[in-house]
Amino acid sequence: DAKTTQPTSMDCAEGRAANLPCNHSTISGNEYVYWYRQIHSQGPQYIIHGLKNNETNEMASLIITEDRKSSTLILPHATLRDTAVYYCIVRVGTGANNLFFGTGTRLTVIP
Amino acid sequence: SAVISQKPSRDICQRGTSLTIQCQVDSQVTMMFWYRQQPGQSLTLIATANQGSEATYESGFVIDKFPISRPNLTFSTLTVSNMSPEDSSIYLCSVEILGTARYYNEQFFGPGTRLTVL
Repeated sequence: DAKTTQPTSMDCAEGRAANLPCNHSTISGNEYVYWYRQIHSQGPQYIIHGLKNNETNEMASLIITEDRKSSTLILPHATLRDTAVYYCIVRVGTGANNLFFGTGTRLTVIP
Repeated sequence: SAVISQKPSRDICQRGTSLTIQCQVDSQVTMMFWYRQQPGQSLTLIATANQGSEATYESGFVIDKFPISRPNLTFSTLTVSNMSPEDSSIYLCSVEILGTARYYNEQFFGPGTRLTVL
């Protein structure tokens, strides 16, 4: 069952920051928030994950609210190659049986 | 990280036939998985490929339809048996890397095999 809700689609102007929201109001204390993306005709690609603290890597930043009930993935300077479906997933432990891909957000970066 | 290759990348098959998809990883991994992505849909986990034992299937998927082999820690196959048009999907292999702080519980996916059944 989906533990996250995301908008179906979003547009973002090229060069601007893309902010993708995710609600996970039933998240448990030991569940991490993961973000993956899937560019058309490719396998999903890991972006970032976090537990409580905000995280940043070379691809994106992840902002998790203090109550952990929602988070935002930020692509600081969106490019056309960032056009993809972005999946927000909450999971604990190992094994793919708790890596549930919901419907995701289709981000379109507009020139 | 892990680099995953799949063969074939795509195929068009006739109803009633079977297709075996291969997944090769460039390093030894404990956990390998097979997913299906039907047209316009999200990913659905088919099974966990266990090395040296039978695969663990998710609800709605059975061994007779999707037999899986895992002869070693770098290779797995998924067979789609007695195919029908409803089996037209992208089939993805995935591995999980454990134990390092940066990549804790990170999953890597192969490029997928696009199957069309006529």
